[in-house]
Amino acid sequence: NFMLTQPHSVSESPGKTVTISCTRSSGSIASNYVQWYQQRPGSSPTTVIYEDNQRPSGVPDRFSGSIDSSSNSASLTISGLKTEDEADYYCQSYDSSNQVFGGGTKLTVL
Amino acid sequence: QVQLQESGPGLVKPSETLSLTCAVSGYSISSGYYWGWIRQPPGKGLEWIGSIYHSGSTYYNPSLKSRVTISVDTSKNQFSLKLSSVTAADTAVYYCARLGGSDFDYWGQGTLVTVSS
Repeated sequence: NFMLTQPHSVSESPGKTVTISCTRSSGSIASNYVQWYQQRPGSSPTTVIYEDNQRPSGVPDRFSGSIDSSSNSASLTISGLKTEDEADYYCQSYDSSNQVFGGGTKLTVL
Repeated sequence: QVQLQESGPGLVKPSETLSLTCAVSGYSISSGYYWGWIRQPPGKGLEWIGSIYHSGSTYYNPSLKSRVTISVDTSKNQFSLKLSSVTAADTAVYYCARLGGSDFDYWGQGTLVTVSS
């Protein structure tokens, strides 16, 4: 089984851009889609990016996703940061039969 | 609108079996998709427990496989989780969710299960 490693926390100011990484420990990051979830305190996670770079309806285009095979990692980029973006963010991927979540990144917008 | 609702005891004694049910509305489980359980210990990250298809085909997290059973009841449009021999480390918010392709696209509100005597 593989692991997905995320930074524990990131912080940035309103209006700026932040990128959260998610590194796959084994197997190619490109071999299975990566998803990103936002979780606010006391709430269930919601999808902000699916299939590497697709946004569900209702998610603003300030949120974007990408993968980088050279570093075997995926990234979530949030531009034009708003205080409402402050939350925990989790990446998720899978292999043939297992689902794996990253450890989560706490985003502080200050 | 697809909705999921977890139910079950909020307190389980050590060494006993945790049992939860997820009732689905707005979509028939028999129509497709995998359905899963995910948990989150207090202050920690998400952990996938396992998933089930309407046919009964299951996939479990290897680290929990020996203690987990997930089943489906299409007549009641619900699926269930059993986790045996629980310890304090199993204390968590337990979520049920639909695996809509690649992402878990619909989630329940979550239910806190505490393991304590």
